[in-house]
Amino acid sequence: QSALTQPASVSGSPGQSITISCTGTSSDVGGYNYVSWYQQHPGKAPKLMIYDVSRRPSGVSNRFSGSKSGNTASLTISGLQAEDEAVYYCCSFAGSSAFVLFGGGTKLTVL
Amino acid sequence: QAQLQESGPGLVKPSETLSLTCTVSGDSMSTYYWSWIRQPPGKGLEWIGYIYYGGSTNYNPSLKSRVTISVDTSKKQFSLKLTSVTAADTAVYFCAGRGLTAFDLWGRGTLVTVSS
Repeated sequence: QSALTQPASVSGSPGQSITISCTGTSSDVGGYNYVSWYQQHPGKAPKLMIYDVSRRPSGVSNRFSGSKSGNTASLTISGLQAEDEAVYYCCSFAGSSAFVLFGGGTKLTVL
Repeated sequence: QAQLQESGPGLVKPSETLSLTCTVSGDSMSTYYWSWIRQPPGKGLEWIGYIYYGGSTNYNPSLKSRVTISVDTSKKQFSLKLTSVTAADTAVYFCAGRGLTAFDLWGRGTLVTVSS
């Protein structure tokens, strides 16, 4: 099984919006409504930002939103702030045994 | 909310077995699927597998032949064993708790280097 496909990098200016895509197949992203997104700052553990495609955990800013269409999920961050600069990973259940796949990660640079 | 702490050797010799333990504090072990996830230096996340408190497991197919995850609910610990390690197994190893569908609880991670 291959990792989910994410762009290696995206960038945006403070206040702007960006979207990170996560492309899989009908056996993972397209087959489950269990896509999650994680934010990782250097040297830190990942932090859950979005689960079940579009749900936000308590305490996560409503500037973060998620969606899915077919085999591609997306994370949108609006009103970019300097502290949003991090690597973002998507994640999905996959296959008939519901194992877990991560994307390769996208580095977000806030210009 | 629960907190997780990984422990174990930071250096393992090639062909030997990597063993790590994660200690859970502050929550019931029946709340989560207890997982191991690793991250090679400068690279992305790779799911290794999980165990539920009753003992059921699910492993990454690419690692399944070398991985065993076990749980000791009396000690509030779960453990990872990865056999026949090579340099490619050098990584930061995270223990994590997965609720129903996402990893909402993470340890700080521990670097394990495979080298002679």
